[in-house]
Amino acid sequence: EAQVTQNPRYLITVTGKKLTVTCSQNMNHEYMSWYRQDPGLGLRQIYYSMNVEATDKGDVPEGYKVSRKEKRNFPLILESPSPNQTSLYFCASSPGSGASYGYTFGSGTRLTVV
Amino acid sequence: GDSVTQMEGPVTLSEEAFLTINCTYTATGYPSLFWYVQYPGEGLQLLLKATKADDKGSNKGFEATYRKETTSFHLEKGSVQVSDSAVYFCAGRDDKIIFGKGTRLHILP
Repeated sequence: EAQVTQNPRYLITVTGKKLTVTCSQNMNHEYMSWYRQDPGLGLRQIYYSMNVEATDKGDVPEGYKVSRKEKRNFPLILESPSPNQTSLYFCASSPGSGASYGYTFGSGTRLTVV
Repeated sequence: GDSVTQMEGPVTLSEEAFLTINCTYTATGYPSLFWYVQYPGEGLQLLLKATKADDKGSNKGFEATYRKETTSFHLEKGSVQVSDSAVYFCAGRDDKIIFGKGTRLHILP
């Protein structure tokens, strides 16, 4: 089944403790992206990647890092999480960066930072 | 800059009612337009899309037509079901994808 898999689904952590949220897709998609979803703010893009070893900042990159060493994986790293990073996170992928491509989304990771 | 505006919710309808969720976009180019649906506890799923003016996207009884003259992409369904209760997002994609803030839909049995 074609899908984007995120792990974990739920995570509670403490301020300052480094964490990684994994994202993997099995569709050979070139484009991958991370979003956070917050009430009243909708979806905001954190980082995106147009291909292996090509990553770029989205609208809210502060406090996050990403890497794209393999085509299928695009982990999101929070090196020193803070409470304002409590949110619902989604990974998404598309075949390319062209306008006509829709996204396939993962099921989400609900992160709470205390 | 580019933007997507959709009607605020929540929208509450009775089962079998007609649904319209408005979406308008502002863009310097000609984006492709999308509707996504998010069911409780899940990620967004692509519902339908249109890539050029006058295209109609359709799926699961939902339809939307890309109206260049009114810069709109309104989502419609002739007879909604309880299972359609979800949050609906309009989006436009040109060099980057822009999402609307979502419209929560409640369908009452």
